[in-house]
Amino acid sequence: ETGVTQSPTHLIKTRGQQVTLRCSSQSGHNTVSWYQQALGQGPQFIFQYYREEENGRGNFPPRFSGLQFPNYSSELNVNALELDDSALYLCASSQGNRAGANVLTFGAGSRLTVL
Amino acid sequence: AQRVTQPEKLLSVFKGAPVELKCNYSYSGSPELFWYVQYSRQRLQLLLRHISRESIKGFTADLNKGETSFHLKKPFAQEEDSAMYYCARLVGRGSNYKLTFGKGTLLTVNP
Repeated sequence: ETGVTQSPTHLIKTRGQQVTLRCSSQSGHNTVSWYQQALGQGPQFIFQYYREEENGRGNFPPRFSGLQFPNYSSELNVNALELDDSALYLCASSQGNRAGANVLTFGAGSRLTVL
Repeated sequence: AQRVTQPEKLLSVFKGAPVELKCNYSYSGSPELFWYVQYSRQRLQLLLRHISRESIKGFTADLNKGETSFHLKKPFAQEEDSAMYYCARLVGRGSNYKLTFGKGTLLTVNP
């Protein structure tokens, strides 16, 4: 059984640029959630994808968007990067039901630095 | 809004001492609460969930609805317990859910 894998592990961008982060979900999981973890803070929910559709969204602007593919992998896209977007971005996979919510599996994260 | 509060940013104890990491939540119905742990250079991982009423690595957490708390306890701390601990609450229904995390407590267990 493979876990959640994220790429890239680290990247540096400049203000105004766009970034795409990728996530492969754990085998058998059909739901992917993305979280932003700023320095010294707990993870904050960005959005969740279930059956290739956005299934819930946190308090993030539209320039944060995502995709889920038929193999349940996912992308997080951020446009017009701002300095405050610098953070660790975590992907978590799970089953798309209430029981599945109890077994979220997190990836190691992608650390984004915006200069 | 569903809030999770961890009042201590840092907690330092000696090996063998009892440890309690505090977590309070804003009241709303029947909460589903978790403790996640992040060891140095490792990914965030589930430690325990209140519905399982389990003990993991000697840690337990009891849901106290009267005090809206879900404190994490261990009677005898070990050096390998040093890590960042996050309390989290599950919010949502059906296939639409999310975790609301506290800001975390960094536990250091000194030799």
